[in-house]
Amino acid sequence: QQQVKQSPQSLIVQKGGISIINCAYENTAFDYFPWYQQFPGKGPALLIAIRPDVSEKKEGRFTISFNKSAKQFSLHIMDSQPGDSATYFCAASIVGYKLSFGAGTTVTVRA
Amino acid sequence: GAGVSQSPSNKVTEKGKDVELRCDPISGHTALYWYRQSLGQGLEFLIYFQGNSAPDKSGLPSDRFSAERTGGSVSTLTIQRTQQEDSAVYLCASSLVRQGNTEAFFGQGTRLTVV
Repeated sequence: QQQVKQSPQSLIVQKGGISIINCAYENTAFDYFPWYQQFPGKGPALLIAIRPDVSEKKEGRFTISFNKSAKQFSLHIMDSQPGDSATYFCAASIVGYKLSFGAGTTVTVRA
Repeated sequence: GAGVSQSPSNKVTEKGKDVELRCDPISGHTALYWYRQSLGQGLEFLIYFQGNSAPDKSGLPSDRFSAERTGGSVSTLTIQRTQQEDSAVYLCASSLVRQGNTEAFFGQGTRLTVV
């Protein structure tokens, strides 16, 4: 069964806008929540990650918000740029074990 | 090299043939993963190696799929009697498992086409 559910499947945002992608998980033992960015023809690359002991982590224009009680986490892309157009995957794992990925969100930023 | 290397980058094979896909992880990384990505789809977990522990094979879709990791480094994913539904990009990743972090680095993938 899919351990991490991701939405939306795709989104379109204007340049300068905010992109928001949501993920939910079931396994309360998960303790590592990364986001990966994938461009066509390339392997996924780690974008940002969070541990459950913090509620938010920001790196540049990318922010993860984490809600442990709701078992949800989200990625916010501020001031979206055309170069951010890619597929984004959330994931979760117990450190030392396999990563379980969401289904992915294709983000298109219109200039 | 500095990153995860996969070979070949592209492979076209005839239905029924066996194929071997190779992954060279980042030196020193103890964990190695194989995922499959069909066109426009997400990442389907196949198998996970971590150090000397027994591999997690729970994602292998059938007994036609197998993988090994020799000497804790290079891994080979073998698909026997390939079927058209095996066509996908096969991604390998490696990570250095340490407290609080399981950052996985992915290779570019092998695009397998079964005709």
